[in-house]
Amino acid sequence: LAKTTQPISMDSYEGQEVNITCSHNNIATNDYITWYQQFPSQGPRFIIQGYKTKVTNEVASLFIPADRKSSTLSLPRVSLSDTAVYYCLVGDSGGGADGLTFGKGTHLIIQP
Amino acid sequence: GAVVSQHPSRVICKSGTSVKIECRSLDFQATTMFWYRQFPKQSLMLMATSNEGSKATYEQGVEKDKFLINHASLTLSTLTVASAHPEDSSFYICSARPTSGVQGEQFFGPGTRLTVL
Repeated sequence: LAKTTQPISMDSYEGQEVNITCSHNNIATNDYITWYQQFPSQGPRFIIQGYKTKVTNEVASLFIPADRKSSTLSLPRVSLSDTAVYYCLVGDSGGGADGLTFGKGTHLIIQP
Repeated sequence: GAVVSQHPSRVICKSGTSVKIECRSLDFQATTMFWYRQFPKQSLMLMATSNEGSKATYEQGVEKDKFLINHASLTLSTLTVASAHPEDSSFYICSARPTSGVQGEQFFGPGTRLTVL
């Protein structure tokens, strides 16, 4: 599975757009990019998954450049409840066929 | 849909006690379930892959005789921590992959916090 690098932590304010970038320089052709959110003492929650270009759902957008060596999770108009750890995972079929390898994640703190 | 539950949510026990944690997929069938462990301020670490009707596959460094996994049905996997010790105190999380779901999908349970005194 490709190794990922993310910021350890980020701070922002309510109502702002937050972009978290993940580097995955050795991503393989079959690899998907998946983002999870985890609140304290809870299991991770799937946010979004993509392979290339741009993916958008009701909670976030995922931007993937042509070389796929990085990706950016975009959270529009964040609120205090978006304070959580965000994990970027890269793997075959999003890693779903096998157990997932979680990196350290990005601790996002939203302030009023 | 796609809800995974765990029971209990929290358990406190004395050293030497065996503790069983259940992971259930409530509205889908899961041939494969996964067990993770998360220590405070650390990331999730995969412990083992649980396959319905067959033996679990353990990650390197995880003792299979210590962490007993049983996946007896398509909706239930259990993790038993045998003779738990304080160093086993952790947050245990399971996930389930729907048998007929979208490729790559996994759904996580809410976790079980184990504290061994």
